[in-house]
Amino acid sequence: EAGVAQSPRYKIIEKRQSVAFWCNPISGHATLYWYQQILGQGPKLLIQFQNNGVVDDSQLPKDRFSAERLKGVDSTLKIQPAKLEDSAVYLCASWDRDQETQYFGPGTRLLVL
Amino acid sequence: AQSVTQLDSHVSVSEGTPVLLRCNYSSSYSPSLFWYVQHPNKGLQLLLKYTSAATLVKGINGFEAEFKKSETSFHLTKPSAHMSDAAEYFCVVSVVGNQFYFGTGTSLTVIP
Repeated sequence: EAGVAQSPRYKIIEKRQSVAFWCNPISGHATLYWYQQILGQGPKLLIQFQNNGVVDDSQLPKDRFSAERLKGVDSTLKIQPAKLEDSAVYLCASWDRDQETQYFGPGTRLLVL
Repeated sequence: AQSVTQLDSHVSVSEGTPVLLRCNYSSSYSPSLFWYVQHPNKGLQLLLKYTSAATLVKGINGFEAEFKKSETSFHLTKPSAHMSDAAEYFCVVSVVGNQFYFGTGTSLTVIP
């Protein structure tokens, strides 16, 4: 079974530029999560999708971050414009309802200069 | 409200000695509990989980954890540390099936 796929793995941009990350969850997983993990900290939930609907985006900085999952499968997270403090690893995860378990992708490491 | 407290931000052990990483949780409901490991520059890997079955849970790589409701704890243990165990460990509580709350992590150092 293929795992959660994310791309790109690394991205370096300058502040005020835009960036987008892509995630493809494990096939059949209806719930998808985006987390932000700042160096030395635990993952912080940015947004949770159930199919193509948003379940929780209470911690998403909506003035600069957006996310979509139009067809209920893969998802894109965008930052526009980026700030220095957005430097972090962005993790995507999907939830296996039968196993009641989250599975994580390898993450995208973003550096904002 | 749900929350997780990892009592130690850093733990150092010598290779071959036991590992104990402590986790306490708070939950209004019967929780599911997980331990994930994150090696440098890697994603999170599931070590083990508790979902209301046996209270002593065995995971991968020789790790195990015991759910103690009376103490609201879910400590992670391993009898003998290996160099490859050096990593960041996260305790996670889940309620309502698919909402997850992470602890702040424990960094494990293994001294040769």
